[in-house]
Amino acid sequence: DARVTQTPRDKVTEMGQEVTMRCQPILGHNTVFWYRQTMMQGLELLAYFRNRAPLDDSGMPKDRFSAEMPDATLATLKIQPSEPRDSAVYFCASGLVLTGAANEQFFGPGTRLTVL
Amino acid sequence: RKEVEQDPGPFNVPEGATVAFNCTYSNSASQSFFWYRQDCRKEPKLLMSVYSSGNEDGRFTAQLNRASQYISLLIRDSKLSDSATYLCVVNIARRDTGRRALTFGSGTRLQVQP
Repeated sequence: DARVTQTPRDKVTEMGQEVTMRCQPILGHNTVFWYRQTMMQGLELLAYFRNRAPLDDSGMPKDRFSAEMPDATLATLKIQPSEPRDSAVYFCASGLVLTGAANEQFFGPGTRLTVL
Repeated sequence: RKEVEQDPGPFNVPEGATVAFNCTYSNSASQSFFWYRQDCRKEPKLLMSVYSSGNEDGRFTAQLNRASQYISLLIRDSKLSDSATYLCVVNIARRDTGRRALTFGSGTRLQVQP
């Protein structure tokens, strides 16, 4: 049963520390998404990649957030330095997008980040 | 104004009831529409796509009204296991980049009671 995996599942850190979240998309999927979910804002798209190339990171605070996809099996989201307002659940999702059509996205279990 | 708006609820209904959720979207050029379900402290999962002609999957019926720019989800014969948050999702061109991406509503919470 193919699924998206994310690590760590929970992360508690102190303000100013670097946080790295990892995602392994479903094999064969060509698009990877990073979302952030909070009670106030709901689910927000931070960035996404297609065939490992960044397509859109307009939802991401550029000064402290960075997203990369070093290979087809790994996507990373890094926050440096972290701030309390970054506390949220970060979801990675993957999908197979053909000819620009929007298809189902499969979400990972999320990383629950708490910045003290 | 949010691009995708939903009544947050909660909708508290007894088992066996029929319940309907609506969702409105602001971008008339939107092309793809979905309902996702999210259980408490879990990830969102696709419930069903929404087609122009309307579609049904068991107890669930989704409809799209392009003229009024709203989507609906109808659940018949509610089960306890239907308790969850239902997210309305629309494929919208992002303001900054013009690229299309799924935009999620904040969700409508449903609580089915015995």
